[in-house]
Amino acid sequence: DVKVTQSSRYLVKRTGEKVFLECVQDMDHENMFWYRQDPGLGLRLIYFSYDVKMKEKGDIPEGYSVSREKKERFSLILESASTNQTSMYLCASSEQGARVAFFGQGTRLTVV
Amino acid sequence: AQRVTQPEKLLSVFKGAPVELKCNYSYSGSPELFWYVQYSRQRLQLLLRHISRESIKGFTADLNKGETSFHLKKPFAQEEDSAMYYCALTTSGTYKYIFGTGTRLKVLA
Repeated sequence: DVKVTQSSRYLVKRTGEKVFLECVQDMDHENMFWYRQDPGLGLRLIYFSYDVKMKEKGDIPEGYSVSREKKERFSLILESASTNQTSMYLCASSEQGARVAFFGQGTRLTVV
Repeated sequence: AQRVTQPEKLLSVFKGAPVELKCNYSYSGSPELFWYVQYSRQRLQLLLRHISRESIKGFTADLNKGETSFHLKKPFAQEEDSAMYYCALTTSGTYKYIFGTGTRLKVLA
């Protein structure tokens, strides 16, 4: 079974803090994604990466950055957390050429 | 612009009743359509994709290019079908998903 693991299930951070959300996949997938899930808005793509050190902006990249130094790990960084970044964050991965994505369990981030 | 529309935020049906979760999309090319499901306290997972043309857990979905729809159907709902359902598409040349806003299905006893 493909396993996509997000380092934290719940996080509480203060406004202005730098926040790191980590995601690791164990199936050697080339593609990795970060989505934000909000009620009534569905899932919105923040960033994705199709190879090590390669990244592309998604639909809502403002206030976020990413890092992919190793194939299995994709990190989402909130440079200066704000209350409007309180949300559920989902990481996903997929194989090169494959359209099916596998999701992590999610990280619920609360910024106070 | 590519878009996926799920018009119902919440759909409540009684156990044994038919279910139809609506999904419409806008895309001028040939999309690939998916239904993902998220059960309570579980991760989002693939339910089915249109190219597979299979039935999963009794659910089916047919791509209607004329109506640009990919509605999810099940003839007899079960309580364990209660979950959040997302319709999504990908387009040629990209592996990014465009998700709808989701429909919460509640199956009542």
